[in-house]
Amino acid sequence: GENVEQHPSTLSVQEGDSAVIKCTYSDSASNYFPWYKQELGKGPQLIIDIRSNVGEKKDQRIAVTLNKTAKHFSLHITETQPEDSAVYFCAASPGGNNRLAFGKGNQVVVIP
Amino acid sequence: GAGVSQSPSNKVTEKGKDVELRCDPISGHTALYWYRQSLGQGLEFLIYFQGNSAPDKSGLPSDRFSAERTGGSVSTLTIQRTQQEDSAVYLCASSLVASGRAHEQFFGPGTRLTVL
Repeated sequence: GENVEQHPSTLSVQEGDSAVIKCTYSDSASNYFPWYKQELGKGPQLIIDIRSNVGEKKDQRIAVTLNKTAKHFSLHITETQPEDSAVYFCAASPGGNNRLAFGKGNQVVVIP
Repeated sequence: GAGVSQSPSNKVTEKGKDVELRCDPISGHTALYWYRQSLGQGLEFLIYFQGNSAPDKSGLPSDRFSAERTGGSVSTLTIQRTQQEDSAVYLCASSLVASGRAHEQFFGPGTRLTVL
């Protein structure tokens, strides 16, 4: 089955700086890669996703890049704000049954 | 519109007791998933329902775990003879699925289960 790993486990950044989280996956059949943000006591919320037929996608301060050859994808947050502090999860899905394999999460702390 | 709802939000039980966790998916979503999130860990897939197809139960950790989805809507996850290692947050998600193309999964707030 799919195995997804995230690095680093914790990331602290100064407000206004950029944050980058990287994930690797093992199953070359995976074709859908979402990123979720989870705040304390809440369920994960999708913030951006990318499919295997594109290499990059942007949505305001958030972007995701995908390298299918190397089997890794990254989340980029620019101009970080205190409200970006949360746990971020990457996931991968082979698409056939839509089940997601999640990484263990990154705790992002934005220091005001 | 209403999102995915789960009940109860918190459940404390004694070892050996049975528990039932409920999930109400978004109306019209044909796919429903259960995940388990242990402290400081990622989400572990448990079970997946899609329409009238047989559920994918490959993630259930033991035969003490079961789930059903009635009428293609509400789902109940049952854990029998609970153990302390069952303590976790149980998350439900729903999504639209079309022709095997993955769609966004919308998560509920979860049920925090504590087994004493």
